[in-house]
Amino acid sequence: DSGVTQTPKHLITATGQRVTLRCSPRSGDLSVYWYQQSLDQGLQFLIQYYNGEERAKGNILERFSAQQFPDLHSELNLSSLELGDSALYFCASSVSYNADTQYFGPGTRLTVL
Amino acid sequence: QKEVEQDPGPLSVPEGAIVSLNCTYSNSAFQYFMWYRQYSRKGPELLMYTYSSGNKEDGRFTAQVDKSSKYISLFIRDSQPSDSATYLCAMSGSAGTASKLTFGTGTRLQVTL
Repeated sequence: DSGVTQTPKHLITATGQRVTLRCSPRSGDLSVYWYQQSLDQGLQFLIQYYNGEERAKGNILERFSAQQFPDLHSELNLSSLELGDSALYFCASSVSYNADTQYFGPGTRLTVL
Repeated sequence: QKEVEQDPGPLSVPEGAIVSLNCTYSNSAFQYFMWYRQYSRKGPELLMYTYSSGNKEDGRFTAQVDKSSKYISLFIRDSQPSDSATYLCAMSGSAGTASKLTFGTGTRLQVTL
């Protein structure tokens, strides 16, 4: 158990809908990272927050957004969902804003029908 | 061309064998190198972390980094069926700009009895 928690574990929704994924980092970690993992693309970095501020952006679509709250938990919002958004979404956390050692949560499996 | 290349496998070995997993990369700015293990439908688990070139050993696992060749390896000695998983290499740039981890696509390993 990495200490990173993610909810929900599974999410099934329809195209065009909006969902919110939630992540709680390890105790003491200030950085939260979001990743998307699909069969054809592998693990892709989406976005990082450090102590409430956006720190780095990767291949995140405009339909996706994230935020980190004062208690350091983070939410990833996915809107206008498409079939291709079906994937595993992972959250990771680290102590600092450097990406060297990140600890991953168990993931949320999103299925868009 | 991807920044990080990794043979997807699958790699099948008998129990007790020495396993060699490898990644090549093209970005000379990478300074931090990691190996993650991912069991099916689980989050990646950090196995090894190395800074710059050299070797690092932890139990049955040895990580090697050759920055001159842009090549990293993970060796698993006395492989066990419980080592059956997908192994992902990951790397990031120098401190201060190291917010993003770039992953290989993963090598699926099967250790047979």
